[in-house]
Amino acid sequence: KQEVTQIPAALSVPEGENLVLNCSFTDSAIYNLQWFRQDPGKGLTSLLLIQSSQREQTSGRLNASLDKSSGRSTLYIAASQPGDSATYLCAVVSGGGADGLTFGKGTHLIIQP
Amino acid sequence: KAGVTQTPRYLIKTRGQQVTLSCSPISGHRSVSWYQQTPGQGLQFLFEYFSETQRNKGNFPGRFSGRQFSNSRSEMNVSTLELGDSALYLCASSLTLAPAGELFFGEGSRLTVL
Repeated sequence: KQEVTQIPAALSVPEGENLVLNCSFTDSAIYNLQWFRQDPGKGLTSLLLIQSSQREQTSGRLNASLDKSSGRSTLYIAASQPGDSATYLCAVVSGGGADGLTFGKGTHLIIQP
Repeated sequence: KAGVTQTPRYLIKTRGQQVTLSCSPISGHRSVSWYQQTPGQGLQFLFEYFSETQRNKGNFPGRFSGRQFSNSRSEMNVSTLELGDSALYLCASSLTLAPAGELFFGEGSRLTVL
């Protein structure tokens, strides 16, 4: 059974810092990996989707990498801003997708002004 | 382009009642998935519908059911509500059936069971 772990569970940094969020998964046979952000009481906003054949994806100040063989992904946020404060979730689709997305518990990020 | 729309956004029920939640996917998306989010268990997959057929199902009891209509709109139903069913229920749509495709989520329906 696929398990996804996100470290750290919470992170607080001053505005302007570059930061890295980590995601690991136990079964490397994934189809794709998706990063989301969730604001309090809200739904999930898709940030980046990485297919299993890709190594990284970039969108603005966000860069996500994928190392399938080691079961790891990182989300890099450059020049953090207070508006980046949210919970960041990593999710993988394994095998044929019969189990839907398997999510980590998330990293709660606070950017201090 | 409108996103995924879920109704109602908030609802309160009592134990033993049943509830129906609705989801309208992004126009052109044919796959609709449902997830339950709780503080203890996080996000868990309920089921996925594509072309009016349930294609995949998570590990939830039979009290949880759903359906999809010909216009891709979906509903999920929970019967005989229990306190533990209190959660944020999220719907996601995708152009294609899992595992391909990026998922886009709605704002969720927050269910409180008293």
